[in-house]
Amino acid sequence: SYVLTQPPSVSVAPGQTARITCGGNNIGSKSVHWYQQRPGQAPVLVVYEDSDRPSGIPERFSGSNSGNTATLTISGVEAGDEADYYCQVWDASDHPRWVFGGGTKLTVL
Amino acid sequence: EVQLVESGGGLIQPGGSLRLSCAASGFTVSGNYMSWVRQAPGKGLEWVSVIYSGGSTYYADSVKGRFTISRDNSKNTLYLQMNSLRAEDTAVYFCAREGGEYCGGDCFLYWGQGTLVTVSS
Repeated sequence: SYVLTQPPSVSVAPGQTARITCGGNNIGSKSVHWYQQRPGQAPVLVVYEDSDRPSGIPERFSGSNSGNTATLTISGVEAGDEADYYCQVWDASDHPRWVFGGGTKLTVL
Repeated sequence: EVQLVESGGGLIQPGGSLRLSCAASGFTVSGNYMSWVRQAPGKGLEWVSVIYSGGSTYYADSVKGRFTISRDNSKNTLYLQMNSLRAEDTAVYFCAREGGEYCGGDCFLYWGQGTLVTVSS
C-alpha cells in the first residue's frame, strides 16, 4: 500500500516561512491535499490538488508537488498556525483508499 | 450550511459491538461520497471506510470484515457498524464528506466533530 512520510515536527519563528514536506513514491503523479488540525478539533482542508486553496483559507498557505516530495508552505507564520498538519492522497492500487501522512506538529516559537 | 454530527461512541469491552451515527444537514448523504476517518489518542488520521453515492463500499484492511458502513437516505444519516472490537480500535471517529467542487472524491471538505470510542475491559 502507498505510504506518505512527514517529519514529526517543524518549528518556526513568527513571521517566518514554514515548510512541511510529504514524501511518497512518485507523489508528483498524484494530487496531494493538506489538512490543519488544532488540538481537540476536526481537521480543516487548507490546500487541495497540490496547490489550490478552498474559500476562506489565507493566501499564506500554498503548496507544491514534484517528484517524490510534496510541500506545504506557510508564509508569515502566525501563532494561530500552530497545529498538526497532514498530507493526504487518494490511492487505488488494489482498491480505493485514502492515505494520510503521519502528521507534522508545527510549533511557532 | 453543511453540518455533520456524530453520535454513538462510548466505552465498550473487547469483542463487543457499537454503531456510530452521523446526521447530516445542508446536503444529501446519498449524493456524495461519505467516509469514516479515525484518530487514535495522540496519533494521526486513518481512513476507515467509504460509501459512494452509487452505494459501493470499501474498507481499510484493518477493519475489513468487522466494520460495515451504510446510510439511511430517509434520515440523511451515515452509519458505521463496528463488530468484534479490539483495543486498537480505540479512537475518535470522524465522519467526513468528499471535497465536492474542490477535489471531488479525492479529499474531505467537511468533517464532523468526532465521537470517541474506547475499547477496554
